[in-house]
Amino acid sequence: TQLLEQSPQFLSIQEGENLTVYCNSSSVFSSLQWYRQEPGEGPVLLVTVVTGGEVKKLKRLTFQFGDARKDSSLHITAAQPGDTGLYLCAGAPNAGGTSYGKLTFGQGTILTVHP
Amino acid sequence: NAGVTQTPKFRILKIGQSMTLQCAQDMNHNYMYWYRQDPGMGLKLIYYSVGAGITDKGEVPNGYNVSRSTTEDFPLRLELAAPSQTSVYFCASGRGLGPPQETQYFGPGTRLLVL
Repeated sequence: TQLLEQSPQFLSIQEGENLTVYCNSSSVFSSLQWYRQEPGEGPVLLVTVVTGGEVKKLKRLTFQFGDARKDSSLHITAAQPGDTGLYLCAGAPNAGGTSYGKLTFGQGTILTVHP
Repeated sequence: NAGVTQTPKFRILKIGQSMTLQCAQDMNHNYMYWYRQDPGMGLKLIYYSVGAGITDKGEVPNGYNVSRSTTEDFPLRLELAAPSQTSVYFCASGRGLGPPQETQYFGPGTRLLVL
């Protein structure tokens, strides 16, 4: 069973601060996705990283896939109250064959940005 | 398009009761998934389907059943509800393209409380 460990589990910061969320595993994944979930809603995909060492930017959010494709990070610059939410990483198995789109999710990081 | 819809939004069940959680999507996706989300535990895959008439177990299938008679609908059946099934249930759908194109679209969730 592939596991993804996210840290920290909770993050409470002031507006304007920077933060990094980590997603680590001992397993190799073919790709890593990051989702954001707001209270009372389902997760929404932010980004998919596929290549080891890949870096993607989405406005103030920077996503990186580890060289060995076992870990990923999400960095937010100058956080805003609108960034508040649950951030989930999810890995697609490196099964070689058909994985049917099945994902392994981390336990999530609850981010609160105070004005 | 409505995307992925789920009903009901909230339900309280007594121990031993049964119920069906409804899920429908209007995006003509072949792949559909049921997850449960417990606090601090991320999302766990219960069952998935790769097309009408084809379903398979995920990581935590015990106590649940599914059927897929049409492309649009993927109901989740709980038989003999137990307190351990108290959770938030999410249905998702996708095209099954695999990374990096693959995106899972989530419904708003059903919050279930078993007392």
